[in-house]
Amino acid sequence: GAGVSQTPSNKVTEKGKYVELRCDPISGHTALYWYRQSLGQGPEFLIYFQGTGAADDSGLPNDRFFAVRPEGSVSTLKIQRTERGDSAVYLCASSPGQGETQYFGPGTRLLVL
Amino acid sequence: DQQVKQNSPSLSVQEGRISILNCDYTNSMFDYFLWYKKYPAEGPTFLISISSIKDKNEDGRFTVFLNKSAKHLSLHIVPSQPGDSAVYFCAARAGETSYDKVIFGPGTSLSVIP
Repeated sequence: GAGVSQTPSNKVTEKGKYVELRCDPISGHTALYWYRQSLGQGPEFLIYFQGTGAADDSGLPNDRFFAVRPEGSVSTLKIQRTERGDSAVYLCASSPGQGETQYFGPGTRLLVL
Repeated sequence: DQQVKQNSPSLSVQEGRISILNCDYTNSMFDYFLWYKKYPAEGPTFLISISSIKDKNEDGRFTVFLNKSAKHLSLHIVPSQPGDSAVYFCAARAGETSYDKVIFGPGTSLSVIP
């Protein structure tokens, strides 16, 4: 594909449920990032992958959040026992490598009722 | 505590005039700064960047100015066009010690009035 894609574009779930958000980076990009954007705020860093490994997961708010990138391409952000405060737009970005421009996907808008 | 601040949530400018978006930062370790533009329902797109060793970087209608001593940067758009209406995020990176951990400001919504 031409750019970063994210699915689903919108997700509505109930408090306590489990959700998975998917990110397809630009082909060949080795670096992948997840951000969370709350209303009226800028994107907030969650986790960074270089290849298959999470190089920095210091932005994950708690242990309910987990992300994987098993083959170094597609990544999945997993949220367990969702809470209303998890409602936000979850953005994924990829870059050709460390220190290079990050290209963002359109985001997944998560609403926890 | 916000490390990157954009104190103007919104800005309105007449078409053809100059738009000036401001950004302040608190972390003196930041050495690389970026501006991203975001349209509704889309992800942010990279616009322009500047390294801390420079005080100005220009790309077409867009110029970013950096004042390190004041920990302040600004984005100038001239002339402003209606298609420039979007949310603009200032962002900063602490360089090699923090690879790609980019810290974003809260954004400024720019409206260019035809």
